[in-house]
This record gives sequence, C-alpha cells and structure tokens, in this order.
Amino acid sequence: GAVVSQHPSWVICKSGTSVKIECRSLDFQATTMFWYRQFPKQSLMLMATSNEGSKATYEQGVEKDKFLINHASLTLSTLTVTSAHPEDSSFYICSARLLAGGPLSTDTQYFGPGTRLTVL
Amino acid sequence: GQNIDQPTEMTATEGAIVQINCTYQTSGFNGLFWYQQHAGEAPTFLSYNVLDGLEEKGRFSSFLSRSKGYSYLLLKELQMKDSASYLCAVMDSNYQLIWGAGTKLIIKP
Repeated sequence: GAVVSQHPSWVICKSGTSVKIECRSLDFQATTMFWYRQFPKQSLMLMATSNEGSKATYEQGVEKDKFLINHASLTLSTLTVTSAHPEDSSFYICSARLLAGGPLSTDTQYFGPGTRLTVL
Repeated sequence: GQNIDQPTEMTATEGAIVQINCTYQTSGFNGLFWYQQHAGEAPTFLSYNVLDGLEEKGRFSSFLSRSKGYSYLLLKELQMKDSASYLCAVMDSNYQLIWGAGTKLIIKP
C-alpha cells in the first residue's frame, strides 16, 4: 500500500530555534500534501494544504511566516517551525493525497506516523 | 512489520447498526484511535481506547481487546450524515501513529 513517512519522529529543541519536519510519500507521487496538528485526544487540526510547485494554502489562524511549508517535489513536503516556542509543542501529522487515474478516480489520503515536537 | 487492517468499504441502511472492525500488529501499544473523515475535510476524533472493554459515546461505541489486537467501532441508528471514511490508528511504543487505510461507509436510505 501507499506509505508516508515523516522525519524526525520526535524532536526536542530550545525556544527560539527553528525545526524542520519532512513528509515523504515513499511509493507514490502526491501532488497535494496536508499538514495537521493534533493535541491529545482531539481532532486533527488542518494547518495548511501544500501543492507541489506552488505556495501552500494556510487555514485561518495559522501564521504562514511561522510555519513555512515547501513542497519541492511530488514526494516531499517540509514544514519548518520558525522561532519555536513552548506553545508550539504538539504532534504534527502530514498526509499525502493519492489521486487514482480516470474520471471516476478515488481521492485517498495516506497519513504519516507523526512528529512529536517539544519546545523547552 | 507493523500492520493495521480494516475493511475497505461497507454499506449499511439508514437506521440500522454497523460494526467496523480493526485488527492490528504493532511494536508496542499506547492506545487506539478512531477518526471519522468526510470527503475534503480533516479527520474528526471519535474515540480513544487504551484499556480493554467497551467505551460508549452516544450513538458511537468503541471496543478494544489488546490480547487479540482487535478493535471495533459500532455505529447505531445510522444517519445519512454518517457516510464517511472511518480511520483506525494505533499509537506504538514510540508514540508514533500507525494508520489503517480507512473504511468507507456508505449509508443507503
């Protein structure tokens, strides 16, 4: 099946530093990737939609200058948390959309394992 | 390897009951989640089970058996709006989420 990986799995950093999280679709091409944030036992909150070769679309309330997204290829999207603060500590999850071919294609999202960010 | 299995698609009738099963094999276990995802929307948290047994929340219930590596989501009094994909995810010993591929539930009148 389609596999999505994230790196790193977990990261601890000092307040004020920047952290980059990678999301890769390992065996398929994804024109669209999504970045989510999850707090314990809560729904995934969509942060942004990343389309290959174009600027990401951010959800209301998400600071685009703080959460930089780059989707440089059909298999890689990166999320950089700039000048991280303790309130940015969270579980970040990406997903990649697989578009099957044809007019009746199935739009399926495959989720990554998540990256746990702790900002001290 | 780590693996989560759930049916690809299920069909049920409005007003009926449906049970969506999820079996898992993971390195360690730190809880099992069920999410509902409507097309084009973010997944919505439904339940979290870490101990064996049944957790009931309104029309939705979730069951876990850790010894069997098995969970199910039970939906009662089905409504048309319950048509969605239902995702099973297990948090492993490294607190990483292992996702099932999702079960597409189709509700017919």
